Amino acid sequence: SQQGEEDPQALSIQEGENATMNCSYKTSINNLQWYRQNSGRGLVHLILIRSNEREKHSGRLRVTLDTSKKSSSLLITASRAADTASYFCATDAVGGTASKLTFGTGTRLQVTL
Amino acid sequence: DTEVTQTPKHLVMGMTNKKSLKCEQHMGHRAMYWYKQKAKKPPELMFVYSYEKLSINESVPSRFSPECPNSSLLNLHLHALQPEDSALYLCASSQERGELFFGEGSRLTVL
Repeated sequence: SQQGEEDPQALSIQEGENATMNCSYKTSINNLQWYRQNSGRGLVHLILIRSNEREKHSGRLRVTLDTSKKSSSLLITASRAADTASYFCATDAVGGTASKLTFGTGTRLQVTL
Repeated sequence: DTEVTQTPKHLVMGMTNKKSLKCEQHMGHRAMYWYKQKAKKPPELMFVYSYEKLSINESVPSRFSPECPNSSLLNLHLHALQPEDSALYLCASSQERGELFFGEGSRLTVL
């Protein structure tokens, strides 16, 4: 399987703490994306980092990408209860006129008050 | 308008039924996707349409038949499904490469 692996599988933190999730993948990529999914709902795009970028920020989110290690991390700072969700990394293969995203196994984040 | 609309939200069907899932977007996106997601698993790519032509079929069984009538619509026709096909079916669209916009999904139960 070309599916990426994420760790941890589950993460429980208190509000105000930082949450870090890691993603490893196997093939060459055009870009890597992070998505969030509330239980049973659709996925929401969070951030996209291209293969020639090393770090990207968006609000409380910081994403890093290390193509030599085929890994990425997502940091959520000052977490809130509303951040409780599943988070997926997704790698976009090289080539084509449409994205071909392969999702990682996901991290379930629980933020408690 | 940044919405992808999927209907129906819930569908229960028998193994001999024929039904369809529908997806619509009005963002002018030229790529549309079907994903399948089982409980507590990541979404798995089924089909990709680019400029209304099927560009990727991830070896999906023929009991799933996609259709793209125009650049705004995407259908998934279902026939002779199995109970193991019960899942959340997600539609998404994108402006060629880049971020995907997902609908809320159609939850399918096959009896």
